[in-house]
Amino acid sequence: RKEVEQDPGPFNVPEGATVAFNCTYSNSASQSFFWYRQDCRKEPKLLMSVYSSGNEDGRFTAQLNRASQYISLLIRDSKLSDSATYLCVVHASGGSYIPTFGRGTSLIVHP
Amino acid sequence: DGGITQSPKYLFRKEGQNVTLSCEQNLNHDAMYWYRQDPGQGLRLIYYSQIVNDFQKGDIAEGYSVSREKKESFPLTVTSAQKNPTAFYLCASKTDSYNEQFFGPGTRLTVL
Repeated sequence: RKEVEQDPGPFNVPEGATVAFNCTYSNSASQSFFWYRQDCRKEPKLLMSVYSSGNEDGRFTAQLNRASQYISLLIRDSKLSDSATYLCVVHASGGSYIPTFGRGTSLIVHP
Repeated sequence: DGGITQSPKYLFRKEGQNVTLSCEQNLNHDAMYWYRQDPGQGLRLIYYSQIVNDFQKGDIAEGYSVSREKKESFPLTVTSAQKNPTAFYLCASKTDSYNEQFFGPGTRLTVL
């Protein structure tokens, strides 16, 4: 089983739609969780950290479910500019310097 | 402005030649990383360094070498031993106290 798994998609949604992605992780000792956004042929950029209590930033909401070992990203009122690949990143505990990346979920928002 | 720079953005080399990719950061980060990304694939770790003069192999280190003589710099050499070097190479760094990684703009290497 892969350490961090994501549905590659693509998720093809109309503007204004709400879309959600999940990411499952296998290491129960994982402590830090992030969502990154990667545009085509560009570097990944941090979108959100994922806290135990969940967090929201405008149209984006991130949740952590430790019991089921997954994190989620919800995007409301999708914009054309949200089209990108969304990468899930997990850090284990113990001061590990090595993050584990998911392969990413592709989102296409169309008019 | 603080950040990570990688050069060049595009690089073409003939098969059998070694090539060195540059990565510089002025964020005062201790840890630095090199990743490789192939089309439609996730990031795969090549090498990482937690402190100056120390570095560790990642998952796909064969055919690559690195050095960390200065905190700011972590160059990657793609040697002729790397079987399929054409890829997008990304450098990243982070502090000790927080796990967010900052990425450079990447170098797209094509071996002809």
